[in-house]
Amino acid sequence: NAGVTQTPKFQVLKTGQSMTLQCAQDMNHNSMYWYRQDPGMGLRLIYYSASEGTTDKGEVPNGYNVSRLNKREFSLRLESAAPSQTSVYFCASREQGNYGYTFGSGTRLTVV
Amino acid sequence: GENVEQHPSTLSVQEGDSAVIKCTYSDSASNYFPWYKQELGKRPQLIIDIRSNVGEKKDQRIAVTLNKTAKHFSLHITETQPEDSAVYFCAADILAGGGNKLTFGTGTQLKVEL
Repeated sequence: NAGVTQTPKFQVLKTGQSMTLQCAQDMNHNSMYWYRQDPGMGLRLIYYSASEGTTDKGEVPNGYNVSRLNKREFSLRLESAAPSQTSVYFCASREQGNYGYTFGSGTRLTVV
Repeated sequence: GENVEQHPSTLSVQEGDSAVIKCTYSDSASNYFPWYKQELGKRPQLIIDIRSNVGEKKDQRIAVTLNKTAKHFSLHITETQPEDSAVYFCAADILAGGGNKLTFGTGTQLKVEL
């Protein structure tokens, strides 16, 4: 039981490049989330998926797209990376009817 | 949407003293309030949480209080130890149209000095 697994752990992109951050959970949770964390700003919600087949915008969705591939996997895509997207990205999942959120170990992304 | 404010942004205490971190939230529909501890380079770790039908919860040296009327909640750490040094985040969970969402405060850097 690995919990929430994120790949890659580190990534450096050039401005304008694209990439996909992967997230998978093995806890059979319905809801999954993508957050970004910047110094002094806490964690801000980018997108979330309440259940398989649904996605919704969070607080800071611009520049990102998501795909809920199946119940286990929720990916975050940057189509044209910008330096403002340099951040640490955390994926999380939550079981329906339960309050606890489980976080992945994060992806540290640098856009140069 | 929900807005969570957290104070102070930094807190320095002597070992053995108590530390208090305060948060306010804006949406009265929020019903779950977790606190996370984050060490440098690590993921947030849940340390305690409280639901909206409870006013206080305690777990060893850590306690959380909730005042629904005033829409604020606080984290209390007693007998602080050097290993308590970390960044602490409060959060508020709300059921919105698309499902539950967790909104975080901006964090408190706690330093416990020997």
